[in-house]
Amino acid sequence: GESVGLHLPTLSVQEGDNSIINCAYSNSASDYFIWYKQESGKGPQFIIDIRSNMDKRQGQRVTVLLNKTVKHLSLQIAATQPGDSAVYFCAENMADRGSTLGRLYFGRGTQLTVWP
Amino acid sequence: DSGVTQTPKHLITATGQRVTLRCSPRSGDLSVYWYQQSLDQGLQFLIQYYNGEERAKGNILERFSAQQFPDLHSELNLSSLELGDSALYFCASSRTSAARFSSYNEQFFGPGTRLTVL
Repeated sequence: GESVGLHLPTLSVQEGDNSIINCAYSNSASDYFIWYKQESGKGPQFIIDIRSNMDKRQGQRVTVLLNKTVKHLSLQIAATQPGDSAVYFCAENMADRGSTLGRLYFGRGTQLTVWP
Repeated sequence: DSGVTQTPKHLITATGQRVTLRCSPRSGDLSVYWYQQSLDQGLQFLIQYYNGEERAKGNILERFSAQQFPDLHSELNLSSLELGDSALYFCASSRTSAARFSSYNEQFFGPGTRLTVL
């Protein structure tokens, strides 16, 4: 079964508010996490990533927080805009033992809707 | 535009048939990944090729196969199609083969092929 899941399937926010999308993972061996955004009719688009030796990473208007103690990942979007409306996926990399190769496993996604 | 192209955009076929999906990676990318996205299973990793060789396998059925050609484009072959194979199939590419943290490993996704099996 999936080791990556999401706490909420949908999230609605007002334009200008901050959004927080959550993700839980179960594999403590995962060493790399990524957030993707998927707009309707398009493929997933990389937003931000974080290594397991970090607990926070910031990008432009986005911040990813990693809490390894409770195996929780979150994506914070500041000043959410209508263009942020999309499905957001978290993905974890489970590295094969003794290998630099790994595979990405995706959560089911959260639909973010931004109201004007 | 990610730079990854996939054809066809839509494909409608019948059960038992065989189809081929095509992917051209971004210029300079050596790795190609195939994913299946369905409503009930979400986005699932199928298989990865690097510079012509298979490097990693995920939840890929035996009825499915893939290859990467010398020009680095890739094809995903789906045979003995079943209704449950209806899904979006995405191809992604990255510069290197590893999925560990690195800007060179970022995966860029194509627009997908929507397969409908009737």
